[in-house]
Amino acid sequence: DAEITQSPRHKITETGRQVTLACHQTWNHNNMFWYRQDLGHGLRLIHYSYGVQDTNKGEVSDGYSVSRSNTEDLPLTLESAASSQTSVYFCASSEGGQGTDTQYFGPGTRLTVL
Amino acid sequence: AQSVAQPEDQVNVAEGNPLTVKCTYSVSGNPYLFWYVQYPNRGLQFLLKYITGDNLVKGSYGFEAEFNKSQTSFHLKKPSALVSDSALYFCAVRDRRDTNAGKSTFGDGTTLTVKP
Repeated sequence: DAEITQSPRHKITETGRQVTLACHQTWNHNNMFWYRQDLGHGLRLIHYSYGVQDTNKGEVSDGYSVSRSNTEDLPLTLESAASSQTSVYFCASSEGGQGTDTQYFGPGTRLTVL
Repeated sequence: AQSVAQPEDQVNVAEGNPLTVKCTYSVSGNPYLFWYVQYPNRGLQFLLKYITGDNLVKGSYGFEAEFNKSQTSFHLKKPSALVSDSALYFCAVRDRRDTNAGKSTFGDGTTLTVKP
């Protein structure tokens, strides 16, 4: 069955370190998204991609970057981790091409920055 | 700009009673509307969506939602709640003019607790 996976599921890091969170989907979806989930803020969009070599900034993109070198993967990099980036991160994908398609979410990565 | 409001952080109902989780939205154009559910330590799962046509949309696990354009609402409902329905529910909106199925805007979520 097609799926979307994230790794690691839990990560503890120190302030100032570079961290990369992996997202891999086997749906062959064009669109991929990264969100962070914080209490009182719901889901906030960090970055998104509509296809290979395409990346776009979301509403909370400062301090984060992504790259899309193939259809399956959209890794999220925290250039210099800050305590404010402690959160749960979700990757999602959707087929693309229509406004009606559903997003499929990964299980999440809980990141703690000390 | 688009936005979603879920006015209740928490909804408590007794098992067997009907439940409603409220959602109102704001978009410049016409909306696509979605409901997702999140169980503890899991990612979000799709429940149902409104695209066009019948204002009453039926989805997974016996849930349904009614699109009301005049009130800009898309409330989630279920006639008889189960304890297993206890979870975090998110409403999301997307502007129809965003033809590349891009960004959805999510509400802050409503925690539903169903008591036996």
